[in-house]
Amino acid sequence: EAGVTQFPSHSVIEKGQTVTLRCDPISGHDNLYWYRRVMGKEIKFLLHFVKESKQDESGMPNNRFLAERTGGTYSTLKVQPAELEDSGVYFCASSPDPNGELFFGEGSRLTVL
Amino acid sequence: GDSVTQMEGPVTLSEEAFLTINCTYTATGYPSLFWYVQYPGEGLQLLLKATKADDKGSNKGFEATYRKETTSFHLEKGSVQVSDSAVYFCALNFQGAQKLVFGQGTRLTINP
Repeated sequence: EAGVTQFPSHSVIEKGQTVTLRCDPISGHDNLYWYRRVMGKEIKFLLHFVKESKQDESGMPNNRFLAERTGGTYSTLKVQPAELEDSGVYFCASSPDPNGELFFGEGSRLTVL
Repeated sequence: GDSVTQMEGPVTLSEEAFLTINCTYTATGYPSLFWYVQYPGEGLQLLLKATKADDKGSNKGFEATYRKETTSFHLEKGSVQVSDSAVYFCALNFQGAQKLVFGQGTRLTINP
């Protein structure tokens, strides 16, 4: 069974540009999460989807970040316009139920120049 | 707010050495505690967990004991291998809430 997959693995963009990160959860997992690790610091929660609905988006840093999960399958995280401080590794995770183990992807590294 | 503090890295050890990675937490209430590991080129994986005080989580030779009195969850292994080289993250959450609070991670390198 395929795990959580994320694309791209690494993206390098200039300040002011737009980037869209994609996450494909494990098939059948209704719960999908985005986390971010900035500058080798702690990994921080961004938001949680249950199917296509945003259950908790309290960790989203500002309105330059937009997450979607149309159809309740894959999710995208768009950063527009990107700023230097957005550089980091963006992790996606999925889980079959709210109390189950989280399965993480490898992460998408974003570098904003 | 809730937080997790890990020992600063990177940590470099020789094969078969004893490993301790310290982790302490600050939280209101009694969280569940976790250690996650990220091997090179892979995603985060759950290594072990403990859900209540004095519980010991163990996996792959690693152990950690939930110490409420010292609010700690230190990771230990008696004899490390080169294949243990990875980044280790301590984390917590509360029952019914999958929002994990992570520490900053500790990079471990084991030399042959």
